[in-house]
Amino acid sequence: QVQLQESGPGLVKPSGTLSLTCAVSGGSISSSNWWSWVRQPPGKGLEWIGEIYHSGSTNYNPSLKSRVTISVDKSKNQFSLKLSSVTAADTAVYYCARVSPFMDVWGKGTTVTVSS
Amino acid sequence: EIVMTQSPATLSVSPGERATLSCRASQSVSSNLAWYQQKPGQAPRLLIYGASTRATGIPARFSGSGSGTEFTLTISSLQSEDFAVYHCQQYNNWTFGQGTKVEIK
Repeated sequence: QVQLQESGPGLVKPSGTLSLTCAVSGGSISSSNWWSWVRQPPGKGLEWIGEIYHSGSTNYNPSLKSRVTISVDKSKNQFSLKLSSVTAADTAVYYCARVSPFMDVWGKGTTVTVSS
Repeated sequence: EIVMTQSPATLSVSPGERATLSCRASQSVSSNLAWYQQKPGQAPRLLIYGASTRATGIPARFSGSGSGTEFTLTISSLQSEDFAVYHCQQYNNWTFGQGTKVEIK
């Protein structure tokens, strides 16, 4: 079955850019699914960041849109998240998920801390 | 933005008892509503989609109902492994509720 695995730096400096990758295994990123990023600040609820289709079409959370870029690499069967100009408020566990159109497969998550 | 409001924030229930969780949308989401279970240190797990359809492998003690703006997740007889945080999510344009923690009474 499809599995997702997030990877990337666990520590990012303020004003820097957060970069994460989600590797898809057990299935193709070119299937008829969208692929999404969700985050969860410590002790708080879930926040949708954005999503991408294998064609490169994207949708972003309006509150983050100016800072977010999601891209896809079909050759590596993975998709990526970049969040620029980060602050401490961007400290969170970041999850990738498959959209069917609900989120039926999730990665285990990766913790990103924004600190100098 | 569609705002999802869950109640209560915390629900204290004894094992074997019934738990009823609510989720309200600020405008109609039709039946585009999912419920997720999240245990500490784990990713969310899909329980219910389409407001009332159980995901693969989800026990029958979990049931969902509602449409439009009012939704309910019912756990008919709480087992020890059900104590967790439950999130609702509308997937018209992706917003989550703030979560309901189900704790042991």
